[in-house]
Amino acid sequence: ETGVTQSPTHLIKTRGQQVTLRCSSQSGHNTVSWYQQALGQGPQFIFQYYREEENGRGNFPPRFSGLQFPNYSSELNVNALELDDSALYLCASSRNSGNTIYFGEGSWLTVV
Amino acid sequence: GESVGLHLPTLSVQEGDNSIINCAYSNSASDYFIWYKQESGKGPQFIIDIRSNMDKRQGQRVTVLLNKTVKHLSLQIAATQPGDSAVYFCAEIEDSGAGSYQLTFGKGTKLSVIP
Repeated sequence: ETGVTQSPTHLIKTRGQQVTLRCSSQSGHNTVSWYQQALGQGPQFIFQYYREEENGRGNFPPRFSGLQFPNYSSELNVNALELDDSALYLCASSRNSGNTIYFGEGSWLTVV
Repeated sequence: GESVGLHLPTLSVQEGDNSIINCAYSNSASDYFIWYKQESGKGPQFIIDIRSNMDKRQGQRVTVLLNKTVKHLSLQIAATQPGDSAVYFCAEIEDSGAGSYQLTFGKGTKLSVIP
């Protein structure tokens, strides 16, 4: 157990809809990152949150957005869903020192 | 950004043998590397990490070797067990500034253990 919990575990959305995924980080971890993992690929960095602000972003469009709350939990929001957004979305938490990054089990999103 | 890659997409080993999974990285500025194990349908599980000021680090049944000269990482698993069957990723930390720590993953190596 990594102490990183994500919800929901699976969901199906229709193209054009919006989705919100949630993450609770490991106790004491103040940094949360989100990754997208397409089938058969390695995870791709979406963005990172620290002290409730985004402080790093990968090559993802603005329709991917997020929030971090005072208790360090986080949300990933994706607007105007596209078929290619179908993937496993992973949340990872760490102390801001960058040491030892732990992942949750992910949320499987299918866009139809 | 620069990428981390793996030499072998699949690896089959006999139970009880040692496994070696290799990884090449291209960003010479990376100073921290992590190996993850990912079982089907699950999130990546931290195995072992190493910093660039080290050549070798050992854990329980696992050893990571870092060769900075040729920018190469390897993960050695001793006495491989059926439970070791999974996809293994190496990842490097890129500090993209302002305290942001981004992991860059390769495509992974699938390890299959033959009973």
